[in-house]
Amino acid sequence: NAGVTQTPKFQVLKTGQSMTLQCAQDMNHNSMYWYRQDPGMGLRLIYYSASEGTTDKGEVPNGYNVSRLNKREFSLRLESAAPSQTSVYFCASSDEGLANEKLFFGSGTQLSVL
Amino acid sequence: GNSVTQMEGPVTLSEEAFLTINCTYTATGYPSLFWYVQYPGEGLQLLLKATKADDKGSNKGFEATYRKETTSFHLEKGSVQVSDSAVYFCALRYGGATNKLIFGTGTLLAVQP
Repeated sequence: NAGVTQTPKFQVLKTGQSMTLQCAQDMNHNSMYWYRQDPGMGLRLIYYSASEGTTDKGEVPNGYNVSRLNKREFSLRLESAAPSQTSVYFCASSDEGLANEKLFFGSGTQLSVL
Repeated sequence: GNSVTQMEGPVTLSEEAFLTINCTYTATGYPSLFWYVQYPGEGLQLLLKATKADDKGSNKGFEATYRKETTSFHLEKGSVQVSDSAVYFCALRYGGATNKLIFGTGTLLAVQP
């Protein structure tokens, strides 16, 4: 039971470098999300995708771009990493409707920007 | 705007003690409310939820009641175990058709044998 798979698990970048965080889900969910988790701030939504081909900004989108490659995959790109982007990043997916109000999370990517 | 406030931790308890983690919210309308749990090194998992006022969500001995009058959704468990040690997040759903959530800051629970 893979669920939501994120890669890589750990990454260290230098300021100004770029990278892409990968996320894939095997539950045939329409919606996918990227959150960041920072101490004392809980999780904050970066971007989300309600369906294949659509993406929308969340609370903290600045400095990030996303791509919903297909129904399974939703990637997060940092074009020019900054120390303020040091965080733990979580991808999640869900279906829609009141009967499906549950997010399934990946195990996270710990990113350090030096 | 929408927001979630939960008690700061860490909360340290002995095994079999009673647990309460407070959560209050601010929202327009009547959002669904959730408790998620994060075990060390893992992603979050849904623990329980309530979709309307006076609903009680329950799972694994944990309970929380949706109180509209006090805008609260406090998490309780009668007898905690060492295996309950984790970070607990209160959240509300604000997303319309999608399950966009606003999370509280999380409360670390440490249960000692």
